[in-house]
Amino acid sequence: EIVLTQSPGTLSLSPGERATLSCRAGQRISSNYFAWYQQKPGQAPRLLIYGASNRATGVPARFSGSGSGTDFTLTISRLEPEDFAVYYCQQYTSFLTFGGGTKVEVK
Amino acid sequence: QVQLQESGPGLVKPSETLSLSCSVSGDAIGNYYWNWIRQPPGKELEWIGHISYTGGSNYRPSLKSRVTMSVDTSKDQFSLKLNSVTAADTAVYYCARGRLDSSGYYYIDFWGQGTLVTVSS
Repeated sequence: EIVLTQSPGTLSLSPGERATLSCRAGQRISSNYFAWYQQKPGQAPRLLIYGASNRATGVPARFSGSGSGTDFTLTISRLEPEDFAVYYCQQYTSFLTFGGGTKVEVK
Repeated sequence: QVQLQESGPGLVKPSETLSLSCSVSGDAIGNYYWNWIRQPPGKELEWIGHISYTGGSNYRPSLKSRVTMSVDTSKDQFSLKLNSVTAADTAVYYCARGRLDSSGYYYIDFWGQGTLVTVSS
């Protein structure tokens, strides 16, 4: 099983600040099968980024993804009030796994 | 707009079989991978497996012995059966569409709202 480790577990920031979320894979994975999701309380996850760096339809430009191999990053350039949520990374190699999540909370 | 809707019992007794269905609307069920993903209360997401419209499946190894998925293209539905359940199987269960697009990217682009299944006597 490819383990995805997300850090930090919780990120406390203010609106307007920059958020940098990390996801590290236990072994090298293909960027084609790497994605980021946002989940708000009581809601299903929402696709943000696929292929490590491609924004999904309707996702604001303040969200960007980067990385390859074992290290991937999700950056939110300027946090809006609606961005405070939990973010999950995901990979699909043999079978699909999610990271443990990073909670972005209001400082 | 693609919509997915889970249905099934919200309460299952220990050792019995959890059965859920997912109805798909807004697009044909063909050419995609139909996923089941669960989330225990307050915990992270866990992929259970997926099935393609042709019936080919891939399951999480740790659950493989207890999971069966099926797809009914005539009804635009797919289903999950998880047998011998315990309290550890209590979770919100999501059905979701997986896509392998023309550029070779795989991602999950549409999700159902989720349904809470509690395992308890």
